[in-house]
This record gives sequence, C-alpha cells and structure tokens, in this order.
Amino acid sequence: GAVVSQHPSRVICKSGTSVKIECRSLDFQATTMFWYRQFPKQSLMLMATSNEGSKATYEQGVEKDKFLINHASLTLSTLTVTSAHPEDSSFYICSARTVSNQPQHFGDGTRLSIL
Amino acid sequence: AQTVTQSQPEMSVQEAETVTLSCTYDTSESNYYLFWYKQPPSRQMILVIRQEAYKQQNATENRFSVNFQKAAKSFSLKISDSQLGDTAMYFCAFTTPMDSNYQLIWGAGTKLIIKP
Repeated sequence: GAVVSQHPSRVICKSGTSVKIECRSLDFQATTMFWYRQFPKQSLMLMATSNEGSKATYEQGVEKDKFLINHASLTLSTLTVTSAHPEDSSFYICSARTVSNQPQHFGDGTRLSIL
Repeated sequence: AQTVTQSQPEMSVQEAETVTLSCTYDTSESNYYLFWYKQPPSRQMILVIRQEAYKQQNATENRFSVNFQKAAKSFSLKISDSQLGDTAMYFCAFTTPMDSNYQLIWGAGTKLIIKP
C-alpha cells in the first residue's frame, strides 16, 4: 500500500519550455502533497505544500509564478516549471500523505535537464 | 528553530556487520514523530522506520531498529546483519503538530556503503 507514482521520471528540454510533472497517489487519498527539490549529494529542500482544493503554500525563496502547483483532486498534484532555464535543472520529488501524523510516501522523482 | 543533525557524512562497513547511524534533533515540542528514510542510488525515498515520541518502546522493523532517547533528543538507527542492498543515503527527519501541515525537518543525510 501507500504507492505514489511520479511522471515523467526524466525530462530533457530546451530553455524556455514549460514542463509539467505529475504526482499521483495510487491507493490512498492524499489530503496533503509536498514538492521537493534535491541538489546532488544534498538533502531534500521543500518547495511547497499543497492541500487538496487549496492554493499551495510556497517556501521562502520559491517563486510561485515559476513553479505552478495544482492539487485539484485527492489523488493528483502537478508541478509546472514555467519557462524553464538551465538553473532549474534538478531532481524534483513529490510526496503524499493522508492524515497529519502519518508518514509521507514518495514518488520516484523526476530528473529535469534544461539545455 | 527546529533542526536535525546527522554527524556522520559517510560510513562504510562490511556485509553482515552491524552499523549504527546517529541523529540528534532539536525541538521545544513534546509531541512529535521521528522517521528514518533510505534513498538508494535509484533515488527513490523509502520509509525505513517511524517512532512516535510519546512511545517509550523503541521501534523495530526486521533488521532495522532505533534507539530513541527523548531526553537527549537522540534517534539513532541500527542496522543488523547489513546487506549490500542497504547501501544508500539515510536521512533522519521529524515532524511536529506545531506546523499545521506536519512538514518534515530533514537532516543532511549519511551515506552508508556496505562492502562485500
């Protein structure tokens, strides 16, 4: 149980392209989903928290117009990197959780490379 | 500020040995939840073990167990009979009700290498 599917796993695209990443909870309802960015050999950096039906809460320093998050249903959240540039290249990983005190379950991550 | 410290950037042990990864944390809350996550080279983040702060009994999951010392704010992970597949980054994390979204506070990670 508690499977989170993240798609795509790898994206390579040109600078200026917008990229959408999907995060789905396959066997549970995710009231809260989290989006992280991970730089090489570092820990996870929380970008934003999204609750179903509400606007996402972004961490300080994360541009909400750059990283658009939608959590329209209890099983799907999307992260859109708008007008991506090489500095946006990174590993993005989502997680989902049911109730507050339960563990977060993670997707397999998306490696984004902007040329 | 709430923080997590993993003082061992990297550790290496022989297969079948026992290894302990250290983790200390700082919070003023009395109710919180502690986690160890494993991230193998595939980069998938996998939950290893979970501990509720109000429980005195140390959590155990097969070869993985924790030594939870609440007064010392310490939460170490012991891996018994280590296997090659245990090679991974290990992250310690905790969350408290102080944050309405129960965000995880992460340590920097410990790279564990199991040698054949």
